[in-house]
Amino acid sequence: GAVVSQHPSRVICKSGTSVKIECRSLDFQATTMFWYRQFPKQSLMLMATSNEGSKATYEQGVEKDKFLINHASLTLSTLTVTSAHPEDSSFYICSASRAGVTEKLFFGSGTQLSVL
Amino acid sequence: ILNVEQSPQSLHVQEGDSTNFTCSFPSSNFYALHWYRWETAKSPEALFVMTLNGDEKKKGRISATLNTKEGYSYLYIKGSQPEDSATYLCASDSGGGADGLTFGKGTHLIIQP
Repeated sequence: GAVVSQHPSRVICKSGTSVKIECRSLDFQATTMFWYRQFPKQSLMLMATSNEGSKATYEQGVEKDKFLINHASLTLSTLTVTSAHPEDSSFYICSASRAGVTEKLFFGSGTQLSVL
Repeated sequence: ILNVEQSPQSLHVQEGDSTNFTCSFPSSNFYALHWYRWETAKSPEALFVMTLNGDEKKKGRISATLNTKEGYSYLYIKGSQPEDSATYLCASDSGGGADGLTFGKGTHLIIQP
C-alpha cells in the first residue's frame, strides 16, 4: 500500500512553455504533499509544502508565481512550472504524508525536466 | 539552515560483505531522523524513522542506530546482496510539523557480484 504516482517521468520542452507535473496518492489520502527539486549531485531541496484546500507554503527563494502548486483534493497535487527556462531544468519529485512529517513519507518516482 | 552530511558519497562493496555508512545532522532542535533507499528509476522507499537517542532499528539485513546527542546515525547492511545497490538517503526533521525534511546528498552503494 501507500503508492504515490507521479507523471510524467520525463519531459522536454521549449523555453517559455509551461509544464504541469502531477502527483497522486493512489491508495491513501495525503494530508500534506511536498515538492522537492534536485540538481545534479545535490540534495533533494524542499520547494513547497501543500495541504489540501489551502495555499502552498513556499521555501525561501522559490518563486510562487513561477512554481504554481494546486492541491485540490486529498489525492492529487500538481506543480506547474510556468514559462520554463533552461535554469529550471532539474529533477522534481513529490512526496506525501499521511499524518504529519514524523511519519515516513511516500514518494513519487520523480520527473526529469529538460528545458531547451 | 540545517546541514545534513552523508559519507561516503559512494561505496563499492563485494557481495556478501557487510558495510555501513554515516549520516550526521545538527543535534539541536532534533525531532526525527529518516532513512530512505532509492533505487534507480524508482521511488525512494522509507526504511526507518528514528526519534529516540540510542534507538536501534532493524529490517531484515539492514539496521540503523541513532545518537541524537552527538548528531549522527549509522546504517548497517549485513551480507550485502546485489539488490542492496541503491542510493541511501538520510533526512533530518527539526520541526515535527509540516515543514518537510532536510536531506543529505545520499550514499550511492554498489554491490559487486
